Amino acid sequence: GAVVSQHPSWVICKSGTSVKIECRSLDFQATTMFWYRQFPKQSLMLMATSNEGSKATYEQGVEKDKFLINHASLTLSTLTVTSAHPEDSSFYICSARDPHSAHYEQYFGPGTRLTVT
Amino acid sequence: DAKTTQPPSMDCAEGRAANLPCNHSTISGNEYVYWYRQIHSQGPQYIIHGLKNNETNEMASLIITEDRKSSTLILPHATLRDTAVYYCIVPNTGNQFYFGTGTSLTVIP
Repeated sequence: GAVVSQHPSWVICKSGTSVKIECRSLDFQATTMFWYRQFPKQSLMLMATSNEGSKATYEQGVEKDKFLINHASLTLSTLTVTSAHPEDSSFYICSARDPHSAHYEQYFGPGTRLTVT
Repeated sequence: DAKTTQPPSMDCAEGRAANLPCNHSTISGNEYVYWYRQIHSQGPQYIIHGLKNNETNEMASLIITEDRKSSTLILPHATLRDTAVYYCIVPNTGNQFYFGTGTSLTVIP
């Protein structure tokens, strides 16, 4: 199946700093990528839909100025957590949809664990 | 919001078939059902999807009822590595995934 990578796999940052997470589709071009957040013992929560070359669509309750998403190329989307605080500590997961697939399955990255101290 | 409901947990003996049910009573005629699993601290892994016919691949089989209001994922010979949380998903009209709570499957030696 299609492969999606994320970098870094884990990051620790100080409160008030910004952190950038990269999501890459390795063997296909993804016009649409998605960002999710997962707190311990909870399910994945969709944060935003990222479309190449256009602004991301954020889910209700997700602050677009805090979670900046850039999908500048067909293989790369980035999520920047600005002015991070301890409550932003979470597991961030991206996914990508292969536009050549007849259906709409998403392929997920391995996730990035963010810890804000 | 998620359009599916699943039992929160199940156990299965190693080597036996694991049958994981999912209810999606509000599914519409052209919506697919997707199954993923998530092993602890990893990204979800795609398993299988279907519309109305039963489907089988190297990982699992998917049985969808005739009225399409429920489905069952079957792992024919469960191994310890199949211990994971299994999610059944019906995307929304924008083809976005809203995850429910899933079923935590524990395969017992």
